[in-house]
Amino acid sequence: SQQGEEDPQALSIQEGENATMNCSYKTSINNLQWYRQNSGRGLVHLILIRSNEREKHSGRLRVTLDTSKKSSSLLITASRAADTASYFCATGGGNKLTFGTGTQLKVEL
Amino acid sequence: EPEVTQTPSHQVTQMGQEVILRCVPISNHLYFYWYRQILGQKVEFLVSFYNNEISEKSEIFDDQFSVERPDGSNFTLKIRSTKLEDSAMYFCASSADRNSNQPQHFGDGTRLSIL
Repeated sequence: SQQGEEDPQALSIQEGENATMNCSYKTSINNLQWYRQNSGRGLVHLILIRSNEREKHSGRLRVTLDTSKKSSSLLITASRAADTASYFCATGGGNKLTFGTGTQLKVEL
Repeated sequence: EPEVTQTPSHQVTQMGQEVILRCVPISNHLYFYWYRQILGQKVEFLVSFYNNEISEKSEIFDDQFSVERPDGSNFTLKIRSTKLEDSAMYFCASSADRNSNQPQHFGDGTRLSIL
């Protein structure tokens, strides 16, 4: 099954710094998605990158995809305290998504 | 912005009892999903639903689970005889299209606690 595994498991940075999270998966994909989950809340879709794309930007988010290495990274630039959350990559789509283990990001003032 | 809503936010139930979790998907969406997240673990797919029938289900979704769209707006997950290990956050999601390039939109979840 397609499966995303993120690293690091936890990341603590200062406000204004950049945060980079990585995701690896096992099988071929049509796309890879990143979601954010604030504590006690549902998952919020951030960005989707198709398998034929190498990089995509959305505001302060930059996602890269390397299908040869079966990996993706999410970069949050100029982080804010409000970015504190868990971030998950997900593969699949259509009938179901398969989520990774997530990275817990803490942005401190 | 339209959103997926779930009720109740927290459900406490005795082991062996039936529980129904409710979801109102985004109104023009046609594909519906349930996921669960045991505390500290990954979000896991349970079931997808389209055109009044199950499209796909995981191994977790055994005979104790059922889903239903009883009317034009609600989408429910029923657990017939709850077990301690059913304690988890249950998330409903919907999407406009089953196209794999369409995102799924999630509710805030129902925290199910089995005593």
